Amino acid sequence: SYVLTQPPSVSVAPGQTARITCGGNNIGSKSVHWYQQKPGQAPVLVVYDDSDRPSGIPERFSGSNSGNTATLTISRVEVGDEADYYCQVWDSSSDHLFGGGTKLTVL
Amino acid sequence: EVQLVQSGAEVKKPGESLKISCKGSGYSFSSYWIGWVRQMPGKGLEWMGIINPGDSDTRYSPSFQGQVTISADKSISTAYLQWSSLKASDTAMYYCARLRSSSGYYGSLAYWGQGTLVTVSS
Repeated sequence: SYVLTQPPSVSVAPGQTARITCGGNNIGSKSVHWYQQKPGQAPVLVVYDDSDRPSGIPERFSGSNSGNTATLTISRVEVGDEADYYCQVWDSSSDHLFGGGTKLTVL
Repeated sequence: EVQLVQSGAEVKKPGESLKISCKGSGYSFSSYWIGWVRQMPGKGLEWMGIINPGDSDTRYSPSFQGQVTISADKSISTAYLQWSSLKASDTAMYYCARLRSSSGYYGSLAYWGQGTLVTVSS
């Protein structure tokens, strides 16, 4: 079955750039989606199909996907971006699949 | 405005049955697949399965096949997740979510319910 690997945590200072990775075998051939989940809230889609943003999501959120790694990039990080972030793909052997999640801490 | 509204929190005993709901509004309910996602306390998101409300075609994650039943009633725009015999390990938050696109059963989940907390304890 397919496996998605995310770092458990990423820390960044306000105003800097955060990069959260999602690793998988040849993930570059798949569409990757990213969700933000703040404590006590439902997840929110922030990037879909590797690099598209839903309406209402700031341009500071961007995505890329190549080879064995997809990346969610958050520019000019704000304290309000502190949350758990999950990547998700669809795979023919595993169906829909989430990564283990990454806790973003804004120092 | 697309909305998914889930039923309220439940407290059950092991062995009891349960059916929770997810009511969609603001869009053509039959046209978009709806998925269910589990989040155990302090843990990550787990995919459970997905249903096409239009024809009730359902796909389960292998981890949840046989453990839960997903269904839908398009006449009242509502999807369901049910258990026949709950276990303590079923204690979790359960989310329903709608696919962003109507073109298939895969893709991103653009709209989420608020979650239903299920607590199973003797």
